[in-house]
Amino acid sequence: EVQLAESGGGLVQPGGSLRLSCAASGFTFSSYWMHWVRQAPGKGLVWVSRINSDGSSTSYADSVKGRFTISRDNAKNTLYLQMNSLRADDTAVYFCARDTVTLSDAFDIWGQGTMVTVSS
Amino acid sequence: DIQMTQSPSSLSASIGDRVTITCRASQSIRSFLNWYQQKPGKAPKLLIYAVSSLQSGVPSRFSGSGSGTDFTLTISSLQPEDFATYYCKQSYNTPRTFGQGTKVEIK
Repeated sequence: EVQLAESGGGLVQPGGSLRLSCAASGFTFSSYWMHWVRQAPGKGLVWVSRINSDGSSTSYADSVKGRFTISRDNAKNTLYLQMNSLRADDTAVYFCARDTVTLSDAFDIWGQGTMVTVSS
Repeated sequence: DIQMTQSPSSLSASIGDRVTITCRASQSIRSFLNWYQQKPGKAPKLLIYAVSSLQSGVPSRFSGSGSGTDFTLTISSLQPEDFATYYCKQSYNTPRTFGQGTKVEIK
């Protein structure tokens, strides 16, 4: 079965760090661009970051640029999001998603999400 | 950044109703428009890609149309399982941007 599974969320103090992981299974992970999307409580979906298939190219939303780093380990079929200097407004459920070029770059597979709470 | 504006923000409808949600992009995104459905506490689910192509397994009562900057998601006959929030998203460039969502509620 094709699936993504996030982990690593939790409660962290403002200014702290957290690393999220997204384990992929059931497909050739190294062939796909991957994204992180977040959703603050009661709010809409917001794109956070993306990485190309071999990890050589990344992009970030302005709100996280310089604080978050996306990476991947294709040998371990795992996507990461290193989050530093966390702020209260980073509190959200974080989803990883697969980008499929044959579907016009739609996100066709999503993980279940992991909750990140930034609070003192 | 490309802004995606959905309307309405919410709507109430009955089972069997025809429902239409619109999405407008701040510039042309050609055919790089996707629609997602999200139920409370769940991950979004891809419904439609490339404006009008139905993702595998999605019921045919869902359809999409439009081009350039103006797009529409239509549910031809609303079913109980369709009560959810719907998001459009452009995949034309980075940053990817979502509409603010349309919550479809039971009348």
